Amino acid sequence: AQSVAQPEDQVNVAEGNPLTVKCTYSVSGNPYLFWYVQYPNRGLQFLLKYITGDNLVKGSYGFEAEFNKSQTSFHLKKPSALVSDSALYFCAGVLSGNTPLVFGKGTRLSVIA
Amino acid sequence: EAQVTQNPRYLITVTGKKLTVTCSQNMNHEYMSWYRQDPGLGLRQIYYSMNVEVTDKGDVPEGYKVSRKEKRNFPLILESPSPNQTSLYFCASSSSPFIQETQYFGPGTRLLVL
Repeated sequence: AQSVAQPEDQVNVAEGNPLTVKCTYSVSGNPYLFWYVQYPNRGLQFLLKYITGDNLVKGSYGFEAEFNKSQTSFHLKKPSALVSDSALYFCAGVLSGNTPLVFGKGTRLSVIA
Repeated sequence: EAQVTQNPRYLITVTGKKLTVTCSQNMNHEYMSWYRQDPGLGLRQIYYSMNVEVTDKGDVPEGYKVSRKEKRNFPLILESPSPNQTSLYFCASSSSPFIQETQYFGPGTRLLVL
């Protein structure tokens, strides 16, 4: 079945260190992939997306993600984490045709001062 | 300010009492959708609409209804709520019916069904 997976429920990182939030997908064709962030008591906010073209996508707040077709991954990265980056992060994808957006289960990122 | 609004933000109700959660966007977006968010399950799509008078089922439509009489509004209706519909609900919209467009989300409605 086509799906988006976030293998980590929780990621902890020290402030100033690089962070990675993992996402993998399972699809037969070319996916459209997104990252969204949810701060407490707020709706989801768009961070970045991959549609086609350059595999390295830069987004809001200094985040970037790399589309890796051979590893079917779309990991979210930031070179230097801030405490304010602490939030719930969702990877999502359109995996074929015009099917609905499929979300991963979310990864809670905690950046510790 | 461009936004998606939902009302109410919080709602406690009892089993079987019909309720409506409103959603409105001021961006002239064609595509609107409803999601529910449950711990460990991420977001799952309930219904979506590609334009006025055009709605379709998402992954978890059972127990829900929607309507799209105007472009800006997309209410979610629970005719007979049950406790398993206790959840956090999000409305979203995007500028075109094509799913690869970025979706803009409302602030969420937290529903508790007793």
